[in-house]
This record gives sequence, C-alpha cells and structure tokens, in this order.
Amino acid sequence: QKEVEQNSGPLSVPEGAIASLNCTYSDRGSQSFFWYRQYSGKSPELIMFIYSNGDKEDGRFTAQLNKASQYVSLLIRDSQPSDSATYLCAVNMLEEYGNKLVFGAGTILRVKS
Amino acid sequence: NAGVTQTPKFRILKIGQSMTLQCTQDMNHNYMYWYRQDPGMGLKLIYYSVGAGITDKGEVPNGYNVSRSTTEDFPLRLELAAPSQTSVYFCASSIIPDRTNEQFFGPGTRLTVL
Repeated sequence: QKEVEQNSGPLSVPEGAIASLNCTYSDRGSQSFFWYRQYSGKSPELIMFIYSNGDKEDGRFTAQLNKASQYVSLLIRDSQPSDSATYLCAVNMLEEYGNKLVFGAGTILRVKS
Repeated sequence: NAGVTQTPKFRILKIGQSMTLQCTQDMNHNYMYWYRQDPGMGLKLIYYSVGAGITDKGEVPNGYNVSRSTTEDFPLRLELAAPSQTSVYFCASSIIPDRTNEQFFGPGTRLTVL
C-alpha cells in the first residue's frame, strides 16, 4: 500500500510567524511531490511542486525535499490569516498507464491575527 | 477558458437511485481523473482516463463506472447509490502526467445519499 502521511492538525500559528507543514511517503521510487492548498468548501489548488533534493522557494513558500528520509515539507513565511486552509501533500507515483497522484489527508492550518 | 467544470454542484439521492456526475474540460488535456473526498480525509482516486476510449480503475472504484468518448468529457456514473457514497466528488485533468503532473480541479459535486 503506497501511503502519504500528514499530521492532521490543526496547526495554529500567529500572524507573521513561520508555519511548517510536514509529509512522509512510503514509496521510495516516487519522483515528484506537490503541495495543494484547499480552502473550506473549495477545490484544491497547486501551490508548489518539487522533485530535487533540497529547497525550492516561491515567494513566501519554501518546499523542502529529502528523498533519503522520505519526507517533504512546506514552510510558509510571514503567515497571513488568508493562509488558513487545509494543505494537501501529494506524491507522484508511477503506475501502469503513467503517473498518478496519491494524496495525504491534509493538515489544517490556522493563522491567528 | 472555463477550465474544469462539474455539474451538479449539490445532489441528494435516495438509497438505490442512480445518477451521473458530469465533468468537462476545455484545456485539451489528455488525462482526466475522478476523486472523492470524505470529511477530514485526502482525495481518493476512483477512476482515471489517459485519453478518449481508455479508462482504468483507481483506488476506490467499486460502485462507480466511467466512460470517455471525447477528450472533453469524463462522466462518472453511480449505480444503486449507497450511504457510503456520500462524499464530495472532484474531477481533475492534466495535460500529460510527467513528473510535474499539475492537475487542475473542478469545483466539486457534494453528494448526499439518504
């Protein structure tokens, strides 16, 4: 069973702080990793993807990947109340007809003003 | 571009009824997917399609059927609805799922089976 694990939270941080979201995965063959944000009652939207070990930065967001330890994380700097959402980690896994995404259950983030 | 559209937005079914959830994308994407999302859970893949005429089962296909006669449309059929199928259903599409594999999601259909 290929799995993606996330702490369900909620993770509460004050406005302006750094929020750190973590994800572990079971399939060592996985090549690429995604963070989706989902507001309550809405559909997921892609924030970032990463496929090389190390850090990838995009504005206030930094994705970190460590394939040896099989974890990926998302850091949100200068957290804003508008960042309050569920963050879904997804792992791209190779299947017979191509790649498919396997999603974690998500971490609820609450940014308090 | 409208992106990925889904109809209906909400539906209540009685046990044993059938219905079709519609999904259309106008991005000329080859790949399309159906997911369900239960409260507090991630997305579970029901079925996916790699192109017109080709479909395959995902993680939770029981109780559902799909077809893909055109590139644009990927309807999901529920036969004999059961309370366990109460969920939010998302359709998604991607151009080719290479390692970037960005999937674009529709707004979802919230289904309740009573």
